[in-house]
Amino acid sequence: GESVGLHLPTLSVQEGDNSIINCAYSNSASDYFIWYKQESGKGPQFIIDIRSNMDKRQGQRVTVLLNKTVKHLSLQIAATQPGDSAVYFCAEKLSGQNFVFGPGTRLSVLP
Amino acid sequence: DSGVTQTPKHLITATGQRVTLRCSPRSGDLSVYWYQQSLDQGLQFLIQYYNGEERAKGNILERFSAQQFPDLHSELNLSSLELGDSALYFCASSPRGTRQETQYFGPGTRLLVL
Repeated sequence: GESVGLHLPTLSVQEGDNSIINCAYSNSASDYFIWYKQESGKGPQFIIDIRSNMDKRQGQRVTVLLNKTVKHLSLQIAATQPGDSAVYFCAEKLSGQNFVFGPGTRLSVLP
Repeated sequence: DSGVTQTPKHLITATGQRVTLRCSPRSGDLSVYWYQQSLDQGLQFLIQYYNGEERAKGNILERFSAQQFPDLHSELNLSSLELGDSALYFCASSPRGTRQETQYFGPGTRLLVL
């Protein structure tokens, strides 16, 4: 499939290593955040979410950290696998159901 | 497979034309969202419908309109198309209840305006 965002920042990691993808958000009033994974030729897929009353949330092999002081969000993927290669987006919820997505980071897993 | 379906998968048209993109949400989901994804703008929220009514509006141009029908499927209408409208258009739906904010995306419609 065609690549999205040909000039995205890229993170290359060795298979089996941990990955950390970062995201800066814009609105200090945002109260809900989501990480999405988008594989080539597919729509974004929900990975994990976190509300602003938390600073950490864990899923299966993934952890999201929220630092409201500096408006920063990170996604940690443990034991990165080839199937994790994709573009990762963070999204923040503004008022109502209006979500703003970050520009994305391309994760490339090296064998 | 997210359970959200979109048609057509690809669409090629000319400037000045009008097209309609269709989305069927996951069974039981009342909310439908439309997004535009282009290389230079990233993923942009356009509009949301909930149970047939417009709920939120994002960066949607006046040339674009959407609606949600009683059977909950939604259509996005793009008119007076310009070259810059070439993009991927995604539909997403979200469930009822406390997980309303989790959005499940369809596979997208790739629009090319020549």
